[in-house]
Amino acid sequence: QQQVKQSPQSLIVQKGGIPIINCAYENTAFDYFPWYQQFPGKGPALLIAIRPDVSEKKEGRFTISFNKSAKQFSLHIMDSQPGDSATYFCAAQDEGAQKLVFGQGTRLTINP
Amino acid sequence: DSGVTQTPKHLITATGQRVTLRCSPRSGDLSVYWYQQSLDQGLQFLIQYYNGEERAKGNILERFSAQQFPDLHSELNLSSLELGDSALYFCASSVGFQASYEQYFGPGTRLTVT
Repeated sequence: QQQVKQSPQSLIVQKGGIPIINCAYENTAFDYFPWYQQFPGKGPALLIAIRPDVSEKKEGRFTISFNKSAKQFSLHIMDSQPGDSATYFCAAQDEGAQKLVFGQGTRLTINP
Repeated sequence: DSGVTQTPKHLITATGQRVTLRCSPRSGDLSVYWYQQSLDQGLQFLIQYYNGEERAKGNILERFSAQQFPDLHSELNLSSLELGDSALYFCASSVGFQASYEQYFGPGTRLTVT
């Protein structure tokens, strides 16, 4: 019930392409869904987050799509650049539990 | 730079030993979170402190303990170390105690148990 399943594990996209990373959850009590970006040797950093009352949120080239009925959410990166190469983690939070549950991560490579 | 500092950066120790990892949160942040990142388990929440009090507990082993001091820095103590404890340990801080407040992660401590 506490799991967040993330796919794919790794993804290679050409520069300018639109990588899509998907996450699914079971716990209907989850009410906050952030995405984190992690570069090698660094800690994760918050990229963008969404709550289930909206179906889409866009910040710059990054978009979260949220499907409450399917209990799925995804990250799209528009006009991807080699500098976007990193590991991306989705997460979910149950406000009552006050802790984040992370997906397994997706290693994204953008080829020039 | 997130403003969260962690020491040491790397730690190599033997099985059965005890180590202490240290974290200083961003100025003004009252919450400190500890996470373990390993290849097979991903990023796992261990424990959270808010203004000196334990606030939430995750998958933290009984051999592990943590505390937050009056100056808000935190220490994670790992004892009776096993090979499987080798991982990256991250500290994060946030201004509030709910996980929906943005968490700022430190650079991590890489622990290797031999």
